[in-house]
Amino acid sequence: DIQMTQSPSSLSASVGDRVTITCRASQGISNYLAWFQQKPGKAPKSLIYAASSLQSGVPSKFSGSGSGTDFTLTISSLQPEDFATYYCQQYNSYPWTFGQGTKVEIK
Amino acid sequence: QVTLRESGPALVKPTQTLTLTCTFSGFSLSTSGMCVSWIRQPPGKALEWLALIDWDDDKYYSTSLKTRLTISKDTSKNQVVLTMTNMDPVDTATYYCARTTITFGGVIAPLDYWGQGTLVTVSS
Repeated sequence: DIQMTQSPSSLSASVGDRVTITCRASQGISNYLAWFQQKPGKAPKSLIYAASSLQSGVPSKFSGSGSGTDFTLTISSLQPEDFATYYCQQYNSYPWTFGQGTKVEIK
Repeated sequence: QVTLRESGPALVKPTQTLTLTCTFSGFSLSTSGMCVSWIRQPPGKALEWLALIDWDDDKYYSTSLKTRLTISKDTSKNQVVLTMTNMDPVDTATYYCARTTITFGGVIAPLDYWGQGTLVTVSS
């Protein structure tokens, strides 16, 4: 199975900050990488697929990049509604696997 | 619009078999490129992908759980069913179903719509 490792596991940031989360795959996955946002008590929400394609309706402050084994999710200007846990997920091969999550908290 | 809803027992006993149903609308699993997955999340922990079934009835499973899982579909009812045998307290989690689409050009949009989830507790 492909292991997905996110860093950091958690971070504290202020409103307006630029935030970057990293995701590393244990082997190359081309661009078959998705990002999800999850708020407490809610189902995850799809943000990005194919490493950098924004899901319909997702604001452009979210962006993704990377290919192969190293990927990033960037939030350009953090807003109160962005405080949540973010997960990366590979779909290059079965079984699909998720990262352990990055919790973005208010500083 | 696309909606998915999970249903099943809230409480199961150890060693029992869990059966969960995902009822969806807004798409058909008989349409080429449509897939439905099951994902779970133990309280306070990360997401774990469990299984996927596609429009062509191909099925894929988690490596660690594949001996315990069965996924199936009823296209006429717009439902996908997941069974998990030999339940254990460590299987206590919120279970989600989610759609994946594969376009005619081969672009995959994984898990683009999710159900609200159903909490399953395993306890005697």
